Amino acid sequence: QSALTQPASVSGSPGQSITISCTGTSRDVGGYNYVSWYQQHPGKAPKLMIYDVINRPSGVSNRFSASKSGNTASLTISGLQAEDEADYYCSSHTSTSTVIFGGGTKLTVL
Amino acid sequence: QVQLVQSGAEVKKPGASVKVSCKASGYTFTRYSMHWVRQAPGQRLEWMGWINAGNGDTKYSQKFQGRVTITRDTSANTAYMDLSSLRSEDTAVYYCARDRRGYTGYDLGYWGQGTLVTVSS
Repeated sequence: QSALTQPASVSGSPGQSITISCTGTSRDVGGYNYVSWYQQHPGKAPKLMIYDVINRPSGVSNRFSASKSGNTASLTISGLQAEDEADYYCSSHTSTSTVIFGGGTKLTVL
Repeated sequence: QVQLVQSGAEVKKPGASVKVSCKASGYTFTRYSMHWVRQAPGQRLEWMGWINAGNGDTKYSQKFQGRVTITRDTSANTAYMDLSSLRSEDTAVYYCARDRRGYTGYDLGYWGQGTLVTVSS
């Protein structure tokens, strides 16, 4: 498997909520509670937003939340703000002790 | 504070090799693993491999197995990524990223600024 499956793009208006899905297999997303989400603004390094499926690192807004069901993880951003416009990537630990990323989702704040 | 500072941009010819460095500060280098992730222009993040900075053990993505070598110099708190037999498709920004919690490989809490490697004849 080359990458976890994410929608190419999502959009929402300021104040709204959006959800980004991330689908893998039982050898990665479904098999471990080690799904992470990263935010990447253009020309910048990725930033960890969620780890261990649901946890936010210190300093990350509580507008970001996440969950997992079976082989699909999800990231929800509530109260959309202009600064949330970025690319979002999921990743997962795998059964071979490697890391796999998703294809990335471009979030547009209308 | 944790800082990862990478070496500067490189331009290489097809078939050559490139070595990118990542100097760490602000934490005990040998207590965490270091990962390398690349991103071709306009493309997704792609995990390449990681090194246990404590004992030097490595794990590579199958895609890069045989072409990538990740090493570290504990005296210099620096990790290195060496990619050989370069081709145009290797043109990308290469990032080092530190494991958030230790040697787990579960999530990458700190990232370097990225190093652009351009492969062109």
